[in-house]
Amino acid sequence: DVKVTQSSRYLVKRTGEKVFLECVQDMDHENMFWYRQDPGLGLRLIYFSYDVKMKEKGDIPEGYSVSREKKERFSLILESASTNQTSMYLCASTRMSSYNEQFFGPGTRLTVL
Amino acid sequence: RKEVEQDPGPFNVPEGATVAFNCTYSNSASQSFFWYRQDCRKEPKLLMSVYSSGNEDGRFTAQLNRASQYISLLIRDSKLSDSATYLCVPGGYNKLIFGAGTRLAVHP
Repeated sequence: DVKVTQSSRYLVKRTGEKVFLECVQDMDHENMFWYRQDPGLGLRLIYFSYDVKMKEKGDIPEGYSVSREKKERFSLILESASTNQTSMYLCASTRMSSYNEQFFGPGTRLTVL
Repeated sequence: RKEVEQDPGPFNVPEGATVAFNCTYSNSASQSFFWYRQDCRKEPKLLMSVYSSGNEDGRFTAQLNRASQYISLLIRDSKLSDSATYLCVPGGYNKLIFGAGTRLAVHP
């Protein structure tokens, strides 16, 4: 069974703090993704990665950066958290072909005060 | 215009009912299509892929109309356990585009 894990289920941070969200998958998937999900807006792609040290901007990359130093791990970084980054963050992974099923982690609900 | 448009619902139906969800997408270059299911406070999970010829998986039937850029999902004989949000997902180049979802509530 594919397993995607995220470092925290709930996180509360203050405005201006640097925030790290970690995602790990155990199926040797090449592609990994970070989304945020907000009511009425659905999942919006922040960044994705095809391979180690590779990254591509998604639809809403502003205010975020990512790191992929190892194939199984994809980190999302909020350099200076703001209240409008309060959201549910979901990580996903899939095999190289983008037409394959994406497997999601359980999500991290981040609140920025 | 949004890339994927879905009726947000909620659709409130009794057990045993047949319910249909529709979705339109704007990217005519989309080559792959999926329906994902998301339970309350859970992550999305793949329900089924959608093929040009249409496909069925038990009580679920998915249809694709490329000319109209329209995808549908039909659920027959609804169960309480079908209560969830259903996400329409056309595939773009190297990524998936998720709709905001249609909420289904099945009641006894």
